[in-house]
Amino acid sequence: DTAVSQTPKYLVTQMGNDKSIKCEQNLGHDTMYWYKQDSKKFLKIMFSYNNKELIINETVPNRFSPKSPDKAHLNLHINSLELGDSAVYFCASSREWYGYTFGSGTRLTVV
Amino acid sequence: GQQLNQSPQSMFIQEGEDVSMNCTSSSIFNTWLWYKQDPGEGPVLLIALYKAGELTSNGRLTAQFGITRKDSFLNISASIPSDVGIYFCAGQLGRGTYKYIFGTGTRLKVLA
Repeated sequence: DTAVSQTPKYLVTQMGNDKSIKCEQNLGHDTMYWYKQDSKKFLKIMFSYNNKELIINETVPNRFSPKSPDKAHLNLHINSLELGDSAVYFCASSREWYGYTFGSGTRLTVV
Repeated sequence: GQQLNQSPQSMFIQEGEDVSMNCTSSSIFNTWLWYKQDPGEGPVLLIALYKAGELTSNGRLTAQFGITRKDSFLNISASIPSDVGIYFCAGQLGRGTYKYIFGTGTRLKVLA
């Protein structure tokens, strides 16, 4: 009955690999987000989809590509992973622009 | 880009003490949110503030939306060990925008 669920919770991979993180929400929200939290715990928005339409696309390397097959799902695909991509990636959802509900995060470690 | 500065950056307090933290910016915000993040988890929404001057409570937590719309504070009364965590403020820049800017966080440690 988890509201926003992300998989996997931990991801360790080598430089140069391609990986995906999946997110699903069962709250009936119309907007979903990807945030990146760095080692200093700073949270920065990456992307947002509203009803499957990309509405926020921050300055993120184009190796990162979000995909939203429907309102309840938002995936993040990362190509050619680099050491600097190591971080915790949070999925979140909201009803319109009201406060977000976050998932528990995916800790990505690139070695 | 815009940044929200939170202070203090970290604090140690004794159980039972009251805690106060704030969030300031040079930009005007339409909505302020306060979140708490426990280790290994995502941030959890504590309080949402939608109008300048608004004062809202949630149990032992009280938060206010500054009159200038450039700041907000969060108070925790009678702290307990489970209050340990990182507290983030987040501001919505424009009415109806989906983007929130997060603050730098206040790390709270409670000594039993």
